[in-house]
Order: sequence, then structure tokens, then C-alpha cells
Amino acid sequence: SSELTQDPAVSVALGQTVRITCQGDSLRSYYASWYQQKPGQAPVLVIYGKNNRPSGIPDRFSGSSSGNTASLTITGAQAEDEADYYCNSRDSSGNHLGVFGGGTKLTVL
Amino acid sequence: QVQLQESGPGLVKPSQTLSLTCTVSGGSISSGSYYWSWIRQPAGKGLEWIGRIYTSGSTNYNPSLKSRVTISVDTSKNQFSLKLSSVTAADTAVYYCARLYSGYDEYYFDYWGQGTLVTVSS
Repeated sequence: SSELTQDPAVSVALGQTVRITCQGDSLRSYYASWYQQKPGQAPVLVIYGKNNRPSGIPDRFSGSSSGNTASLTITGAQAEDEADYYCNSRDSSGNHLGVFGGGTKLTVL
Repeated sequence: QVQLQESGPGLVKPSQTLSLTCTVSGGSISSGSYYWSWIRQPAGKGLEWIGRIYTSGSTNYNPSLKSRVTISVDTSKNQFSLKLSSVTAADTAVYYCARLYSGYDEYYFDYWGQGTLVTVSS
């Protein structure tokens, strides 16, 4: 079982705002990173650190964190944002192990 | 622009050893504060972290796979490799290699290979 917990599925109306959450004890100490994965493609990093976007990621993607919960927010969701989203962090043991959330399927209506 | 490319057999027999190599281009595998990781994804399922290696050779493995996994690095070839022994059908998955930044409070995979499907079947 994963140490990071995500809702399996979330939906959002086109142009609206959606928040995808990730819960886990390790998030009290480490920032989550977020990945977008479309069918048949490798995951793509969309958010890392406190709230950083790699080059080429639209600014409608943002990240935040509070306590044991990290959030990925998409402000003004577009059809092309429909994808699976995974959070990731180090595990809570401090042994430099990586862990992924189970993933959230985002549907844009 | 860093690029990663997985290579290796797409079909492995049960009980045998899965071997994959990741070739890094566009930068030296020895430069910077980066680790090099393997991640896998069974069809229709989520991502599973397998392990990581630093260019010094230091490794960390997923406890659930630790007894069967070996990750190694060849800096002269700018490559790192994965070996997973005693495979079963449960090891059938797309295997990705990725570059990992692991800092004080940050942990993220910024570059990924395209992934390679490995099927375990007789």
C-alpha cells in the first residue's frame, strides 16, 4: 500500500478550477512533486518544491501544502489537462526511499 | 536538454532475470546533485518506485523489491542499469528510467525515459 493517498478520480468543468490532493505523513517534512501522465506517455513533472513549475508547464498549474496534505490546483482547466496525476515524495522513514500516490484520474467535462 | 532512453529485452521468462539499461544523453551522468532511478508501471495501474543510485554507487531500493533488485552505474558509458531477479508475471510492466533530484526538502523526477514494456511470460 502507498504511503501517499490520492482520490482515484476527480472531474472539473471546462474552464473551472480543480484541486487534486495528496495526503501522507512524509508531506509534513518534504514537498510533494506532481506528475501528469496521458495514455501511452511517460509522466511529466508539472510541479516541484514549494510551488515551482518546470519550463513549458502552463501557469494554470500550481502547488501548495498544509500539514500532511499537498495540493495541485489547475486554474481554468483545459481539455488537454485530462490525464492521470501522481504525487511523489520521500517516504516518512527518512531512508531516502521514494513513494508515489496511487494517482488521480482527472476528467474535464 | 537531458534525454534518457531505456533498452533491453521486451520478453523475459519466469524465474529469470530482467535486465535493462538507461542511456543518458545531453549531459554527464556524473554532473550535479542528481540520482538516477528506475520506476515501473503495470498496465492500468500506478507508478512504483524501484530504486535509485548515485554516481558514487550508493543505492536505495524499494523494500518490497530489495531482495531481487540491483541497480548499477557505468559513468564511462553514461549509463545505469537495472537487474530484477526471479521475475514472475507480477513484474510485467512498463519500466521507466528517470533523473531524480533529492534535496533537503525536495524530491522530484525531472527527466524521464519514454518507458519500455517488459513482459514476463514463458
